[in-house]
Amino acid sequence: KAGVTQTPRYLIKTRGQQVTLSCSPISGHRSVSWYQQTPGQGLQFLFEYFSETQRNKGNFPGRFSGRQFSNSRSEMNVSTLELGDSALYLCASSLFLGSTYEQYFGPGTRLTVT
Amino acid sequence: DAKTTQPNSMESNEEEPVHLPCNHSTISGTDYIHWYRQLPSQGPEYVIHGLTSNVNNRMASLAIAEDRKSSTLILHRATLRDAAVYYCILRRNFGNEKLTFGTGTRLTIIP
Repeated sequence: KAGVTQTPRYLIKTRGQQVTLSCSPISGHRSVSWYQQTPGQGLQFLFEYFSETQRNKGNFPGRFSGRQFSNSRSEMNVSTLELGDSALYLCASSLFLGSTYEQYFGPGTRLTVT
Repeated sequence: DAKTTQPNSMESNEEEPVHLPCNHSTISGTDYIHWYRQLPSQGPEYVIHGLTSNVNNRMASLAIAEDRKSSTLILHRATLRDAAVYYCILRRNFGNEKLTFGTGTRLTIIP
């Protein structure tokens, strides 16, 4: 099975612009989660989608949004970019192990805001 | 989510066992103990999980204290490829896909 794929892998944007990142989960996985990783804050949960509905949300401003399509692919959007949004954005899809979930992470999209 | 505490860093010699500790004194009865690791320039990857009993898989073993307030991830024979940041995470058993990562333990393997 192919793993979680994220596009693009690298992105450079300027302050004030908006950006859309894409994630394709492992075939059959219906849950997709997004995380932001920065040197200062570490790995932080952004939101999770299941069957096209946002099921969980982290503590990020409304500039960060996402959606999920009927084929489980997901996108996240960041509007009015700030320098502090420079980070590695990771997407993960979930597999139910019978009692809990295992998350499979993609390689991430490295966003640099200048 | 209940909090976990791990040492910031550890070193181990190649081909020797490694014991990575994790304290989770506020764990609840429905919390599973998960371990993930993040190799350099990669996303995190699942290592192992358990509830009450010790667990083994092809990657590692998980030893859980009887009171469940601590656990230890055991790599039986460390290789250079095991150099990574290891995260101990508590998760409820159903739903809630959110993973709350702490700062983890940076494991360095000495050749």
